[in-house]
Amino acid sequence: QKEVEQNSGPLSVPEGAIASLNCTYSDRVSQSFFWYRQYSGKSPELIMSIYSNGDKEDGRFTAQLNKASQYVSLLIRDSQPSDSATYLCAARSGGYQKVTFGTGTKLQVIP
Amino acid sequence: DADVTQTPRNRITKTGKRIMLECSQTKGHDRMYWYRQDPGLGLQLIYYSFDVKDINKGEISDGYSVSRQAQAKFSLSLESAIPNQTALYFCATTTESGEQFFGPGTRLTVL
Repeated sequence: QKEVEQNSGPLSVPEGAIASLNCTYSDRVSQSFFWYRQYSGKSPELIMSIYSNGDKEDGRFTAQLNKASQYVSLLIRDSQPSDSATYLCAARSGGYQKVTFGTGTKLQVIP
Repeated sequence: DADVTQTPRNRITKTGKRIMLECSQTKGHDRMYWYRQDPGLGLQLIYYSFDVKDINKGEISDGYSVSRQAQAKFSLSLESAIPNQTALYFCATTTESGEQFFGPGTRLTVL
């Protein structure tokens, strides 16, 4: 079982819709969670971090964390074609600063 | 100027050659990482360093070595390159809270 799992997609949504990306993790001691956006051939870019249960909003992005269910999600409101990319979920465990990445979900926003 | 830089950006080499990938950062972070990314496999950790005197193997360190010359510089070497080391390589720095900042990547091809 992978430590951080994501559906590879592609997830296709129409422009203006809400895109919902999901991630589950297996290590119960994971404390910090991150979402990165990666355009094809480019490096990952941090877009959200979340450390406690609940929702965290930043502009069009909302990260949701449920530690009891070991589940993290990212909502993108008013999706734009420029949001089309692969979204990587990551979890950090303990004091080792080791961050484990999922394999990513490819999002396609259709104009 | 970019906070995390990598050189070279592209490299084609032959089997058996020794090559070095270099990473520099101006973010002032102590923690630096090397990852490789292969299609469908996500980011795999090669080595990480918490400071100049603290270097640790990641999940796929065989065939690689690293050198932390200074807080700002972390180099990755392939002692004898082989074709299955063809991949996209990323250097990253990390904040205390685990947020990672990636360099632009080096696309390495081993013939």
